[in-house]
Amino acid sequence: AQKVTQAQTEISVVEKEDVTLDCVYETRDTTYYLFWYKQPPSGELVFLIRRNSFDEQNEISGRYSWNFQKSTSSFNFTITASQVVDSAVYFCALSEGEQGAQKLVFGQGTRLTINP
Amino acid sequence: DSGVTQTPKHLITATGQRVTLRCSPRSGDLSVYWYQQSLDQGLQFLIQYYNGEERAKGNILERFSAQQFPDLHSELNLSSLELGDSALYFCASSFQGNSYNEQFFGPGTRLTVL
Repeated sequence: AQKVTQAQTEISVVEKEDVTLDCVYETRDTTYYLFWYKQPPSGELVFLIRRNSFDEQNEISGRYSWNFQKSTSSFNFTITASQVVDSAVYFCALSEGEQGAQKLVFGQGTRLTINP
Repeated sequence: DSGVTQTPKHLITATGQRVTLRCSPRSGDLSVYWYQQSLDQGLQFLIQYYNGEERAKGNILERFSAQQFPDLHSELNLSSLELGDSALYFCASSFQGNSYNEQFFGPGTRLTVL
């Protein structure tokens, strides 16, 4: 069965520090997709990024960057120069499913608190 | 705002009762998904519909059922409610229903069973 592990339950840092959220996944599929979602205090889940298993290029979007390493089955997320507004629960997810079907398997989430 | 709407926002009911949660997908999206978020189980996939047809099923209890209507809105029915069903229920939608599609989530319905 597919599984996503986010070992860090909670992280607390001071504003402007860099922080990395870890995500390790397990799958037997050769084609799969990985996602990160953000859940701010308001509760709604916000899509951040999607990565497919054939594309190991790192991605940067502003202060956010993602490091995908197939060899270690990891898809880590780094926030550079963190801000208070980054405080949220972050979920890593793995997509399984054949054509026309999709089940997102989520990790347990990492609660990130950025202190001023 | 993701464009996915869910009603009601909050629901308080008693054990043994039945409730219906409603979801309207983003304009143009054909696939709808239901998830349950609880403290002990985390975020769990329940069921997926695509254009009115069931496409994938997760750990959905037999007491729970869902459907997607011709106008593409979806309803999740929860019956014989138990205390453990108290959770945040999310609906999500995507254009198609493939494994590479990003899903857009609604604000959720918080269900409290007393």
